Amino acid sequence: AQSVTQLDSQVPVFEEAPVELRCNYSSSVSVYLFWYVQYPNQGLQLLLKYLSGSTLVKGINGFEAEFNKSQTSFHLRKPSVHISDTAEYFCAVSDHWGYQKVTFGTGTKLQVIP
Amino acid sequence: DAGVTQSPTHLIKTRGQQVTLRCSPKSGHDTVSWYQQALGQGPQFIFQYYEEEERQRGNFPDRFSGHQFPNYSSELNVNALLLGDSALYLCASSLRGVNTGELFFGEGSRLTVL
Repeated sequence: AQSVTQLDSQVPVFEEAPVELRCNYSSSVSVYLFWYVQYPNQGLQLLLKYLSGSTLVKGINGFEAEFNKSQTSFHLRKPSVHISDTAEYFCAVSDHWGYQKVTFGTGTKLQVIP
Repeated sequence: DAGVTQSPTHLIKTRGQQVTLRCSPKSGHDTVSWYQQALGQGPQFIFQYYEEEERQRGNFPDRFSGHQFPNYSSELNVNALLLGDSALYLCASSLRGVNTGELFFGEGSRLTVL
């Protein structure tokens, strides 16, 4: 079984400041990790994914995340946020390759303050 | 290139009724997964369909059932609706065997049970 914990339900941050959204996972097998973003009244969109290889993953809109196997973490970062980054962010894990059953965390609401 | 489309976008039902939600996957995709997203929560996996069969199922009662058609579109049926079934129902499509791990989501069907 796999699970995802997002430690912060809400993160307020001033515009142009850096941000980190935290994610820890639990799984008995090798994992594949994802961050999705959900804007109000919309579905989810993939920000970035870790499948294998380099532990630093770059995604869309200037976001990046680092896979840390020893700490079972996959924190999302952005060096300078914009108002348009205000949204809810979900960390997700899959351990059934090819089946793509994805387990999501409870989400972190990022609120960018002008 | 059409993305994932879901219908209806909003609907209101009363307790005990039945509901059918529909999903057309992204062009070229053959696998459909359904998720339930309650207010303030992350998406919860309901089940996944491939080759017109249910391949995986999450922790949902038998009141939740589905179907996949030869053109890969899918339906989610919920019988004997409860107040707790009020949620955003998300459909996600993917291509089995293409190891990207990415799900493409529709914008969801928001179900309100009164």
